[in-house]
Amino acid sequence: KNEVEQSPQNLTAQEGEFITINCSYSVGISALHWLQQHPGGGIVSLFMLSSGKKKHGRLIATINIQEKHSSLHITASHPRDSAVYICAVRSRGSTLGRLYFGRGTQLTVWP
Amino acid sequence: DADVTQTPRNRITKTGKRIMLECSQTKGHDRMYWYRQDPGLGLRLIYYSFDVKDINKGEISDGYSVSRQAQAKFSLSLESAIPNQTALYFCATSDLGGPTDTQYFGPGTRLTVL
Repeated sequence: KNEVEQSPQNLTAQEGEFITINCSYSVGISALHWLQQHPGGGIVSLFMLSSGKKKHGRLIATINIQEKHSSLHITASHPRDSAVYICAVRSRGSTLGRLYFGRGTQLTVWP
Repeated sequence: DADVTQTPRNRITKTGKRIMLECSQTKGHDRMYWYRQDPGLGLRLIYYSFDVKDINKGEISDGYSVSRQAQAKFSLSLESAIPNQTALYFCATSDLGGPTDTQYFGPGTRLTVL
């Protein structure tokens, strides 16, 4: 069983649509990260959340600690948003504070 | 220039060969990590290092070894490559390792073992 589950695995949208990607986790966490992996393979960090909500441009990330759930929203999606979006949680209570990664959501936005 | 670089970016090798993947960083971070990514699976931790004198196994270290030559350099070796080590390998760095710490990833090395 994976400690971090993402849904959906694959998502196709038309340009301009509102996108939601979900992440559920089973371990106690100190922080949750959303990462973006482009077709070339490089991974960049989008958000780090420990509570509430963060917004950066058209991207919004929310987290509900009690429900162990986070969502990543993309408003007015664009083909350049096409990428794999990865949820990762930093576990609480270990010296490493290791990251557990979800399997990723492949998003394709068509013009 | 990229803060975290990996060489080579692509490598095709044969079963039984020894392979070294190199990672360099200019961020001045103490903590460095090696991950592998397989299709349909999340990133999995191979080894991590908190500083030059501290090396630790991750969840899938069998078949791999590492060397932290300096604060800025962390190499991953496959002593005798096998086909199921075909994957995308990422190096990452972080600063403090605390709850809000962000990891910075290299561009990845695509390794194919025939």
